[in-house]
Amino acid sequence: DAKTTQPPSMDCAEGRAANLPCNHSTISGNEYVYWYRQIHSQGPQYIIHGLKNNETNEMASLIITEDRKSSTLILPHATLRDTAVYYCIVRARGGADGLTFGKGTHLIIQP
Amino acid sequence: DARVTQTPRHKVTEMGQEVTMRCQPILGHNTVFWYRQTMMQGLELLAYFRNRAPLDDSGMPKDRFSAEMPDATLATLKIQPSEPRDSAVYFCASGRDLTDTQYFGPGTRLTVL
Repeated sequence: DAKTTQPPSMDCAEGRAANLPCNHSTISGNEYVYWYRQIHSQGPQYIIHGLKNNETNEMASLIITEDRKSSTLILPHATLRDTAVYYCIVRARGGADGLTFGKGTHLIIQP
Repeated sequence: DARVTQTPRHKVTEMGQEVTMRCQPILGHNTVFWYRQTMMQGLELLAYFRNRAPLDDSGMPKDRFSAEMPDATLATLKIQPSEPRDSAVYFCASGRDLTDTQYFGPGTRLTVL
């Protein structure tokens, strides 16, 4: 079972910041938070991951709460091409296994 | 831009036929994962390899599925005999190591009639 909870769907206006929440209240100290997305008919695409500090890369920012029980993925200026299913995944540091995907959040960017 | 490649992209076959799906991991990656995606079950892990050795195939139906890595540049997933319930999109992913970020291929869409 996935260790995360995400809203099933969200809308965001094009050009605005998209903020996708994820709850992972049972996360343990050695577990990372990963975000992937899947655009229709494509393979999942890695976005970002973090342990406890906020992270930023060219695609997105990841904000993790101090207690690490939840996080938010931020797409700063959403475009229509960002419409996809976004998956929040908890994975143990040094975890030698595959990814456990939940149902994710279907983000729809409105023109 | 290094990518995972998968062939074929689409496969339609009849029940009982053998199906072979191929994956070329990113050069230098030593771990390969196979996933399956259906509407009902979502994305599920089938098996994974490190340095061509199978580490876990507990997600695969043992009687009909087999996964191998004949060499470092090729991973295969075979179904024999195929059944309609095997219809799904099969994804391959690779990583520099087991703990590394996984990079996914475009998938093989399998339809078994």
